[in-house]
Amino acid sequence: NAGVTQTPKFQVLKTGQSMTLQCAQDMNHEYMSWYRQDPGMGLRLIHYSVGAGITDQGEVPNGYNVSRSTTEDFPLRLLSAAPSQTSVYFCASRPFRTGELFFGEGSRLTVL
Amino acid sequence: GQQLNQSPQSMFIQEGEDVSMNCTSSSIFNTWLWYKQDPGEGPVLLIALYKAGELTSNGRLTAQFGITRKDSFLNISASIPSDVGIYFCAGTTSGSRLTFGEGTQLTVNP
Repeated sequence: NAGVTQTPKFQVLKTGQSMTLQCAQDMNHEYMSWYRQDPGMGLRLIHYSVGAGITDQGEVPNGYNVSRSTTEDFPLRLLSAAPSQTSVYFCASRPFRTGELFFGEGSRLTVL
Repeated sequence: GQQLNQSPQSMFIQEGEDVSMNCTSSSIFNTWLWYKQDPGEGPVLLIALYKAGELTSNGRLTAQFGITRKDSFLNISASIPSDVGIYFCAGTTSGSRLTFGEGTQLTVNP
């Protein structure tokens, strides 16, 4: 069982470039989410989805877009990268009625 | 919004010592979770708590759901070097998003 798979693991961008972080889960979880982790700030929720076709904003959504066309996939898009978006990004999923999130291994993004 | 205060922020201990960390919330939760993150990895769930007053163990780890539903603690007994990492608490009410504490960085000296 692969669980939550994120790609790429590492990415370097220049300011203004766009990219998509991919996330896929094979556990048939309704709920999927994206977090960013910065030193001393813990895990902050960017966007989340409670099912295919439904997305909503978290604490820090600005500069990021998401879509959920299937249960399995939840990509995170940066339309115009900024240095403030340098961070480690985690995708996570869970069954809707429990709080037990399963995390991917993370994607480390550097914006120059 | 909901806030979780996790303490301490960091701990430096000797192998074999016991460890205790806790989280307090400004809001009532009906689920408390404790996660561990190894360097370069995603957080992994250690213990989930669903009832006020519940005490749950997982090997050398013990966690409790406070009776006020606004706090939780995690104890690690007889620490070993592989306990090194960041420990996060998280809380939620039914079906809503998780709120995470800022983490406790644990260092274990052999």
